[in-house]
Amino acid sequence: QVQLQESGPGLVKPSQTLSLTCSVSGGSISSGGHYWSWIRQHPGKGLEWIGYVFHTGSTYHNPSLKSRVTMSVDTSKNQFSLNLTSVTAADTAVYFCARRTLTISGVVIIDYWGQGTLVTVSS
Amino acid sequence: DIQMTQSPSSLSASVGDRVTITCRASQSISIYLNWYQQKPGKAPKLLIYGASSLQSGVPSRFSGSGSGTDFTLTISSLQPEDFATYYCQQSFSTPLYTFGQGTRLEI
Repeated sequence: QVQLQESGPGLVKPSQTLSLTCSVSGGSISSGGHYWSWIRQHPGKGLEWIGYVFHTGSTYHNPSLKSRVTMSVDTSKNQFSLNLTSVTAADTAVYFCARRTLTISGVVIIDYWGQGTLVTVSS
Repeated sequence: DIQMTQSPSSLSASVGDRVTITCRASQSISIYLNWYQQKPGKAPKLLIYGASSLQSGVPSRFSGSGSGTDFTLTISSLQPEDFATYYCQQSFSTPLYTFGQGTRLEI
């Protein structure tokens, strides 16, 4: 059973960088053709894709976040990471890491999620 | 970007009721529509993928239908554990797989 677990500071000051890591267990981050994703949820709101990273290091991020997003993968540790620079209060949210999978029928799904971690941006 | 619009935004129902939630895409997405359930303080859980395929382990009272722009999630007989927020998500337009705004199902 694949499990994902986010880790990182729960409080970040405005203008600083939000850094989170997702540890994957129960499967290799390098196998299966999965994309490793970050999704966030503002308090009481819906779900927003941040982006995703492949084990080769190729990435995609949501254009709405402009160039503030950096994602990386560490296959030796079976982890992937998110950096979000120049944060503001608008970046306060629960951040989920998740696995994006392509089903046999060709449908992209998110089949495994971390429990989520609340990151608050405040001085 | 493809916009996903769910209706209603919230819904009150009782145990045993049949409930339908609708999701509309701003353009055709074929059958590339998924449904997730989220309970407070928890991560979303995949229920339905490809518009109508039931994810393994999900009770059969959940069903999905639709294609093109209009989709529905139906719960045939509500159980107490079904009270949650439901999200649709399109997986047609790579790489940005947008979600609907959610439907809160309340007792």
